[in-house]
Amino acid sequence: NAGVTQTPKFRILKIGQSMTLQCTQDMNHNYMYWYRQDPGMGLKLIYYSVGAGITDKGEVPNGYNVSRSTTEDFPLRLELAAPSQTSVYFCASSGAGGSPLHFGNGTRLTVT
Amino acid sequence: AQSVTQPDIHITVSEGASLELRCNYSYGATPYLFWYVQSPGQGLQLLLKYFSGDTLVQGIKGFEAEFKRSQSSFNLRKPSVHWSDAAEYFCAVGSADRGSTLGRLYFGRGTQLTVWP
Repeated sequence: NAGVTQTPKFRILKIGQSMTLQCTQDMNHNYMYWYRQDPGMGLKLIYYSVGAGITDKGEVPNGYNVSRSTTEDFPLRLELAAPSQTSVYFCASSGAGGSPLHFGNGTRLTVT
Repeated sequence: AQSVTQPDIHITVSEGASLELRCNYSYGATPYLFWYVQSPGQGLQLLLKYFSGDTLVQGIKGFEAEFKRSQSSFNLRKPSVHWSDAAEYFCAVGSADRGSTLGRLYFGRGTQLTVWP
């Protein structure tokens, strides 16, 4: 089982560039999430989705966009990269009934 | 407001010693509680979870945690630490209330565990 797969693993962006972080899961989970992790700050929720076609903002959505056209995929878009978006990004998924999150291995993004 | 506090940023223990990592939460709804572990360069792996019932829950790798509602705590314990337990540990809380988005978790800042041989 692949679980949750994130690509790329590493990326360096210049200020103002855009990119899409890819996330796909093969567990048929309805719920998917994007978190960012900054040193000493734990994880903060950026966006989440409860099913295809349904997305909602988390704690720190500014500067990001998401879409959920299929159950499997939940890409995260950065339109105008800023240094404050330098972070490690984690995608996660979960089933219903309070089942735990399954995390991908993360994307380390640097914006300079 | 929802919050999770892990008061210890870094803990160092000797291999074979006992371990307790502290977690306190503030949550207006009925909580689900989790402990996750993160090894360097990896995603988070679930150690254990509390939803309801017995307040002492067992997890993987010999870890356990006790939910104490009166103290709003969910401390993680292990009786004998192994060198391979060195990692970062995160406590998280989510809502068990109907209508809440299950999986929308609030994380603590993490506790880095170092194990001396």
